[in-house]
Amino acid sequence: QSALTQPASVSGSPGQSITISCTGTSTDIGSYNYVSWYQQHPGKAPKLIIYDVNNRPSGVSSRFSGSKSGNTASLTISGLQAEDEADYYCNSFVTNTKLFGGGTKVTVL
Amino acid sequence: QVQLQESGPGPVKPSEALALTCIVSNYSITNGVYWGWIRQPPGKGLEWIGSVDRGGFSYYNPSLKSRVTLSIDTSRNQFSLRLTSVTAADTAVYYCASDQGPTSPFDYWGPGTLVTVSS
Repeated sequence: QSALTQPASVSGSPGQSITISCTGTSTDIGSYNYVSWYQQHPGKAPKLIIYDVNNRPSGVSSRFSGSKSGNTASLTISGLQAEDEADYYCNSFVTNTKLFGGGTKVTVL
Repeated sequence: QVQLQESGPGPVKPSEALALTCIVSNYSITNGVYWGWIRQPPGKGLEWIGSVDRGGFSYYNPSLKSRVTLSIDTSRNQFSLRLTSVTAADTAVYYCASDQGPTSPFDYWGPGTLVTVSS
């Protein structure tokens, strides 16, 4: 399978909201509600921030939210903060495999 | 809290096999979750390699399946990855992680270890 498609970069000013898209196909994102999102700061391991499309693990800020429409999942970061500057990856279940997106670099202006 | 730590022998030569171990702490590896491997080439994105459960059942990324073997050692509370016939394209940071199954996210991650394939 091909990787899920994410924009290479998204930027925003502090306090703004940004949305990162993750586009798949009818056989992955379109078929299952098993989309997760990870935040990765430079030199660090990824951190789970959203699972099952729109659920946040304990301890993750409510400024992060997820959604899905058709074959596209989205991650929205509200009230953008300097600490949100990182790479973000989506992931989807696909028939006993797990497919990652190519990653999106978020820059806080 | 579950803690994971990757360990490996260091640089690997092309055509040889890469072997990594992930030591699990503060949690029994037999407690019904899956244990997986993900890699990230320098400057690139994440790629899931495969996952194994406590009984040794594994599922793999189809693109790597022919070269990957995952195993689990319950007596040492650790699990392992073996990737054969490596090339420079296998140079990456390798992460071990835990998940609850094929449809579940990776909730705990190790810090990662860089494996370089070079002659």
